[in-house]
This record gives sequence, C-alpha cells and structure tokens, in this order.
Amino acid sequence: GNSVTQMEGPVTLSEEAFLTINCTYTATGYPSLFWYVQYPGEGLQLLLKATKADDKGSNKGFEATYRKETTSFHLEKGSVQVSDSAVYFCALSNSNSGYALNFGKGTSLLVTP
Amino acid sequence: KAGVTQTPRYLIKTRGQQVTLSCSPISGHRSVSWYQQTPGQGLQFLFEYFSETQRNKGNFPGRFSGRQFSNSRSEMNVSTLELGDSALYLCASSLVLGGTGYEQYFGPGTRLTVT
Repeated sequence: GNSVTQMEGPVTLSEEAFLTINCTYTATGYPSLFWYVQYPGEGLQLLLKATKADDKGSNKGFEATYRKETTSFHLEKGSVQVSDSAVYFCALSNSNSGYALNFGKGTSLLVTP
Repeated sequence: KAGVTQTPRYLIKTRGQQVTLSCSPISGHRSVSWYQQTPGQGLQFLFEYFSETQRNKGNFPGRFSGRQFSNSRSEMNVSTLELGDSALYLCASSLVLGGTGYEQYFGPGTRLTVT
C-alpha cells in the first residue's frame, strides 16, 4: 500500500538557520507528492507539490525535489523565519487509492528569534 | 475566489448523539473529500464525493456517512457518537491535475468534542 514516513519532531531552529525535514514514501506506480503546512488552530495549506520524478516544487522559499530513486521528497528552506513555526505534513496521492491523500505524521517546527 | 468553508467551527456533543458537519468547496471544484485528524492517528481519509456520488471511502465504520448536493456542497454525518470521535474534521476541495491526481485545498476544519 501507500505510506509516508516523516522525521520525528519537534524541530527547533534559530531564525535564519537552514531547514531540512525528511520525507520518504512507499507507493506503486507514480504518485504525486505534496507538502502541507498547518498553523495553530487552522486547517492545512498546500505549500508545494511535485507530480513526476525529478520535479522540484517550490513556494515561499521552501523547496522539495521528487526523487524516485530514493523514494524521497525532503523539504528544505535556506533561511527560516519565526513565522515559519508550524506543523509540516508530507503527503502522497496515487491512482491506486483513488487519489486520496496519505499523510505522514507531521513534523512540528519551532523557530526562535 | 473564496476558499473552502466549513460550519460549524466548533461543536460539543454527548456520547450517543449524532452530528452533521457542512462543507462548501471552492467555486468550480466538484470533488470534496473529508479527513479526520487526531493526535494519535494523525490525518486519515474518510471519503470523497464527486458529482453527488461517493467515489472513494476510507476505513471507517458505517457510523460515518456523507453526501454531496448538486451545488457541490457536502455534509458528513456521524451517528451514535463515541469519545474516540473527538477530532478535527477537515474538508478538502479538489482541483484535477490533468490526469496525475488532484490538488486538494483544505478548509479550517470543524473541531468536534464528544463528552
């Protein structure tokens, strides 16, 4: 079946530090991959996506590259801000599950001034 | 465009009662999915509706049901509430990605507390 594994949090960084949140997946075929962000008390916001191997998704300084050879979709940002503090979810959708999203457990990020 | 709206935002119910949650998708989006978010189980897919038909279903008991109306608005119902149904229920409105899947946009959620 389909599954997503994310690094455990919480992750605490100082402002302007480099961020990496690891995400690996298991799926057959060619899933689409997503990163969502959830701020306290809110729903999920789509941060970026990639729909095929070697695609790079990017948004608001965040990037992730779809690596089929390592089944990974790691999230990176060169310089985090306090406002990036949130929970980040890696997810995949696949035709064999009717495109329902399979989520990782989420990684909590706290950025301190 | 207005985003996905969900009502109510908060609900408190008693065990054994039933509850109905509502979701209005983004204008033009015909697919609506529902997810349950809990600290223990994380985010789990409940079901998806497209053009008033349930097209996909997750692994939840029959107490969880839903429907979609002709204007794409959707409701989900939980009957005979249990304490474990306490969760954030998220609705997502979908944009088709040209055959490679959907791009799902989430509403703010309904926080259900069962006492």
